[in-house]
Amino acid sequence: EVQLVESGGGLVQPGGSLRLSCAASGFTFSSYSMNWVRQAPGKGLEWVSYISSSSSTIYYADSVKGRFTISRDNAKNSLYLQMNSLRDEDTAVYYCARDHLRALGAKDYWGQGTLVTVSS
Amino acid sequence: VIWMTQSPSLLSASTGDRVTISCRMSQGISSYLAWYQQKPGKAPELLIYAASTLQSGVPSRFSGSGSGTDFTLTISCLQSEDFATYYCQQYYSFPRTFGQGTKVEIK
Repeated sequence: EVQLVESGGGLVQPGGSLRLSCAASGFTFSSYSMNWVRQAPGKGLEWVSYISSSSSTIYYADSVKGRFTISRDNAKNSLYLQMNSLRDEDTAVYYCARDHLRALGAKDYWGQGTLVTVSS
Repeated sequence: VIWMTQSPSLLSASTGDRVTISCRMSQGISSYLAWYQQKPGKAPELLIYAASTLQSGVPSRFSGSGSGTDFTLTISCLQSEDFATYYCQQYYSFPRTFGQGTKVEIK
């Protein structure tokens, strides 16, 4: 069974940092590209970042470029999001999501999400 | 950036109804479109990819159509478990973008 489990969320002050993790199981993690997608309270979905299976290709949304860093460790079946210089508007539930193998870009599995709250 | 206009934002319907949700792109994306369902407090679930391909395990009452700039999600016979919010998403280019969402509520 495919499982994605996020962790690392919490309350942080504006300007602070947080590192999210996503533990993957039930599939060959190293074969799949991965994403972070977030959802502010009561709002819609916003794609945040993408990383290819080998980490050779990375993309960010403009809203987080230069502040967030996506990475992965295929040996540990884990995906990460380092978030620096956090702002109030980064408050959201953060999901890790797997790209569909036959439709790269469609996300076929999602974690349960981890809540990040940026507030003083 | 490819902008997406999803409509309506709110749809009131009854069990058994046929409902359609529209998603329009600011530029052509061929068939690189996915549809998701999200229930309160839960992660989104993939319903359709490549505009019209049903994801494994998704009931056949869900269908998708369209290509280029105009796409539609249809639920042929609304069931109680279908009351949720639906999102379209393009994966033609980066940044990936989502529609604003359509909440399907009980009439």
